[in-house]
Amino acid sequence: DGGITQSPKYLFRKEGQNVTLSCEQNLNHDAMYWYRQDPGQGLRLIYYSQIVNDFQKGDIAEGYSVSREKKESFPLTVTSAQKNPTAFYLCASSILRNGEQYFGPGTRLTVT
Amino acid sequence: EDQVTQSPEALRLQEGESSSLNCSYTVSGLRGLFWYRQDPGKGPEFLFTLYSAGEEKEKERLKATLTKKESFLHITAPKPEDSATYLCAVQFPYGGATNKLIFGTGTLLAVQP
Repeated sequence: DGGITQSPKYLFRKEGQNVTLSCEQNLNHDAMYWYRQDPGQGLRLIYYSQIVNDFQKGDIAEGYSVSREKKESFPLTVTSAQKNPTAFYLCASSILRNGEQYFGPGTRLTVT
Repeated sequence: EDQVTQSPEALRLQEGESSSLNCSYTVSGLRGLFWYRQDPGKGPEFLFTLYSAGEEKEKERLKATLTKKESFLHITAPKPEDSATYLCAVQFPYGGATNKLIFGTGTLLAVQP
């Protein structure tokens, strides 16, 4: 089955620790995205990548970093510089220049 | 500033009671409008894409329509399993990032048996 996988489903970390969220897709999509979802707010774009070894900041990139070494993988690192990291993180992918984005199941990160 | 606004924030319906959700946007050069369904604790599930005013798409009890400034998601004779948050997103032509989306905050739909 083609799709997007995110792991883990739940993640708990202590304040001051970096944490990496995994995102893998087997849809052969060129573009991949990371969003953050908080209660009462729309999905906000953190980073996106349209091609391997290239990525761009979204609207709320501060405190986050990404890499795109393979077409299938787009991991997100939440660094200790992110002031409010507790949130639901969603990864998505799409065909290049096509707005239809397909989402993974999400990772809920809790930082205490 | 480009904006996407969804209304109402929440809607409670009785099973079989038809209604509509609204998504309005302020933008020039709309490239596409997308509807998603999101169940609690899960990722959004793609429903429809609309590209031009007058276009309509249907899937089971759902029908999406598009005008120049807004889209409606009509729900006909809803069932409890239609309960979810429905998200609207609009694609704007941001230079080279032509597939960047702006999301609304969603409408939480509850259908009671």
